[in-house]
Amino acid sequence: DGGITQSPKYLFRKEGQNVTLSCEQNLNHDAMYWYRQDPGQGLRLIYYSQIVNDFQKGDIAEGYSVSREKKESFPLTVTSAQKNPTAFYLCASNPSVTGDEQYFGPGTRLTVT
Amino acid sequence: AQKVTQAQTEISVVEKEDVTLDCVYETRDTTYYLFWYKQPPSGELVFLIRRNSFDEQNEISGRYSWNFQKSTSSFNFTITASQVVDSAVYFCALSEAAGFQKLVFGTGTRLLVSP
Repeated sequence: DGGITQSPKYLFRKEGQNVTLSCEQNLNHDAMYWYRQDPGQGLRLIYYSQIVNDFQKGDIAEGYSVSREKKESFPLTVTSAQKNPTAFYLCASNPSVTGDEQYFGPGTRLTVT
Repeated sequence: AQKVTQAQTEISVVEKEDVTLDCVYETRDTTYYLFWYKQPPSGELVFLIRRNSFDEQNEISGRYSWNFQKSTSSFNFTITASQVVDSAVYFCALSEAAGFQKLVFGTGTRLLVSP
């Protein structure tokens, strides 16, 4: 089945540790996105990538890093510099960055204590 | 700057009631897209509809209907004869039509449908 997978569903880390969230898609989409969702708030864009080996900062990129070495993969690293990393993280993709609806993965809930 | 406002934080209805979720947007662009997404308890966002700013026709899909009014910058979503399975958080979103499609989301409306 075509779609977006994110693993794991739940992730627990100690403060000060970097953690990498996985996002894989087999939809052959060029564009991929990472969003953060906090309770009572809408989704906020962290990073996006329009094409392999290229990515851009979104609205809240501080404390995060990404890579796009393969078309189907767009991992997100939450670094120790992120002051409040506990959140629900959603990955999305679409065929291109203009006008198409985005398809979302199931999300990863990260808890840092 | 673009902005989406969903003033209703939470709505509770009884099954079979009709319910309307409000969405008001702000943009300086003349061409843009509007979206509705559903987020069930599992967490994944499910795409419901996309509307181009030039297309003001209302749309109906089964029990779902959307009312787009540029004059009031609103894109409201109505569920007719609600069902328990409609319980979810619903997000309205806006993007420019040209260039990078950055989605600006509202804060969402949680809909609770009780039997």
